[in-house]
Amino acid sequence: KAGVTQTPRYLIKTRGQQVTLSCSPISGHRSVSWYQQTPGQGLQFLFEYFSETQRNKGNFPGRFSGRQFSNSRSEMNVSTLELGDSALYLCASSLAGTNTEAFFGQGTRLTVV
Amino acid sequence: AQRVTQPEKLLSVFKGAPVELKCNYSYSGSPELFWYVQYSRQRLQLLLRHISRESIKGFTADLNKGETSFHLKKPFAQEEDSAMYYCALRATNTGNQFYFGTGTSLTVIP
Repeated sequence: KAGVTQTPRYLIKTRGQQVTLSCSPISGHRSVSWYQQTPGQGLQFLFEYFSETQRNKGNFPGRFSGRQFSNSRSEMNVSTLELGDSALYLCASSLAGTNTEAFFGQGTRLTVV
Repeated sequence: AQRVTQPEKLLSVFKGAPVELKCNYSYSGSPELFWYVQYSRQRLQLLLRHISRESIKGFTADLNKGETSFHLKKPFAQEEDSAMYYCALRATNTGNQFYFGTGTSLTVIP
């Protein structure tokens, strides 16, 4: 069974640009979550999608948005990039239900210059 | 509000010594707690979950609801245990959102 796949792995953008990151969950997983990982803050929850609907949203500005397609693949978009957006963005997929494990992708390393 | 606290950013122990990584949480409902581990250059992966009450790679973690803690323990640390460890709480009343602690970087000294 293929794991969670994130593309691209690395990205360099300049301030003010926008970026779209992609995540393909494990087959059969309908829940996809996004996290921002930085050395100082650890993993910060961005949002969760389930069956194409945003179910939860973290405390991030509106520049951060996402969506989920009918095949459960998800994209995350960041507009008007700032230097502080430089981070590792992780996607996790899981089954619905209690005590389900979240499976993480390798992440997309975004550097804003 | 839900919160997971890992008080130690860095922890160093000698090989063969016991190790304990601390995790405290706050959550109004019935918690689902996990430990995730990230080895160098690898993806974040599940180490263990409280519901399973299992030992993985010699690690155990007991949920103490009275102290709201879920500390990770291993009696004899090995060099290959050096990694970043994250305690996580799954908020079951709000979908599938995980709250992570800031992580503890464990170094096992040979």
